[in-house]
Amino acid sequence: DAKTTQPNSMESNEEEPVHLPCNHSTISGTDYIHWYRQLPSQGPEYVIHGLTSNVNNRMASLAIAEDRKSSTLILHRATLRDAAVYYCILRDRWNNDMRFGAGTRLTVKP
Amino acid sequence: DTEVTQTPKHLVMGMTNKKSLKCEQHMGHRAMYWYKQKAKKPPELMFVYSYEKLSINESVPSRFSPECPNSSLLNLHLHALQPEDSALYLCASSLPTTGFHGYTFGSGTRLTVV
Repeated sequence: DAKTTQPNSMESNEEEPVHLPCNHSTISGTDYIHWYRQLPSQGPEYVIHGLTSNVNNRMASLAIAEDRKSSTLILHRATLRDAAVYYCILRDRWNNDMRFGAGTRLTVKP
Repeated sequence: DTEVTQTPKHLVMGMTNKKSLKCEQHMGHRAMYWYKQKAKKPPELMFVYSYEKLSINESVPSRFSPECPNSSLLNLHLHALQPEDSALYLCASSLPTTGFHGYTFGSGTRLTVV
């Protein structure tokens, strides 16, 4: 899997939007951009993924740069329950060997 | 059923013991995975099974022995572990062509080796 770079930590206020950045300058044409999050004392949880176009689901939105070298996970209204480590991972469409980077630890303040 | 179930949730074992971790899913996923996670670190891939066959072993010591007896079940047999093997062991499953689909993780087994 190609490498991603994320900030070690971020803070946000409850009920405000959060933009979590991810750089992946070595992304290849067959790499999907996946986001997972891990709440305290739980296994990782799938959040969203995309290839080229922006994606929305009930949990979050994924904005992908036109050159695909970076992406941003958007939580529209952060809640205390969104405090977690967020992982941005590049996944080749044909390989099933997902590896995690260090991720971003998100703190949500009341 | 959209869950991956791992048992036991907690396990304490001595260095001479033999124990097994169990993982089960009924989502029809044909790829299953074991990860190891130390405190404050990201999960590390250990093993990948695809269609019940071992496809990836990340140079894991032989004291960890995986087994996939059928498409719904994944075991991790443990023998002669060391204290540094204490960690959270996570199981996951997915459709095999995983670029298109996400993984579903269990809540893990927290293992303590004494």
